[in-house]
Amino acid sequence: SQTIHQWPATLVQPVGSPLSLECTVEGTSNPNLYWYRQAAGRGLQLLFYSVGIGQISSEVPQNLSASRPQDRQFILSSKKLLLSDSGFYLCAWISSGPGELFFGEGSRLTVL
Amino acid sequence: GEDVEQSLFLSVREGDSSVINCTYTDSSSTYLYWYKQEPGAGLQLLTYIFSNMDMKQDQRLTVLLNKKDKHLSLRIADTQTGDSAIYFCAESIPGTYKYIFGTGTRLKVLA
Repeated sequence: SQTIHQWPATLVQPVGSPLSLECTVEGTSNPNLYWYRQAAGRGLQLLFYSVGIGQISSEVPQNLSASRPQDRQFILSSKKLLLSDSGFYLCAWISSGPGELFFGEGSRLTVL
Repeated sequence: GEDVEQSLFLSVREGDSSVINCTYTDSSSTYLYWYKQEPGAGLQLLTYIFSNMDMKQDQRLTVLLNKKDKHLSLRIADTQTGDSAIYFCAESIPGTYKYIFGTGTRLKVLA
């Protein structure tokens, strides 16, 4: 069966520090992968998606970046965090679309 | 542009019906979805409707789609305290791999 893992689950970081959130999918190959951010009152915002290794599409201008070094690994990064980067980050995958997106349990980031 | 809107809060009494509404902007969307988010967790698909349908029923859930008005609704019959959660509607954007989610509606069920 397919599973999706995100880590860390909770992160508290100072402003200006770097960030790395990881997402791994198991039990499937060549998934489409997504990073969303959930902030209070703003719903679920699509940040990045990837249809293959090294292929990243960015949806919003920001100081975050994403990488897909392996087929089932998706990484969200920042060199210098801002206060506004605080939120609940969700990774999701789909084997082929359109269809059901499967979400990870999320990573809660607090930037102080 | 792509935008999906929902009201932020809904409160109902246990046993009553809940209706959560959503408006979307991309009239070419082929699928529209409803997801549920429990506190502190990821989202799980509740149900979806294909754009050539007006209604879909799945046990206590009824989805209504008005393509002319770009309006989607989710009705939960006999709402239970376990239904308390955030409900998101979402659309898949044809010709892309994107899924756009709404702002989410926080449903609170009062015992």
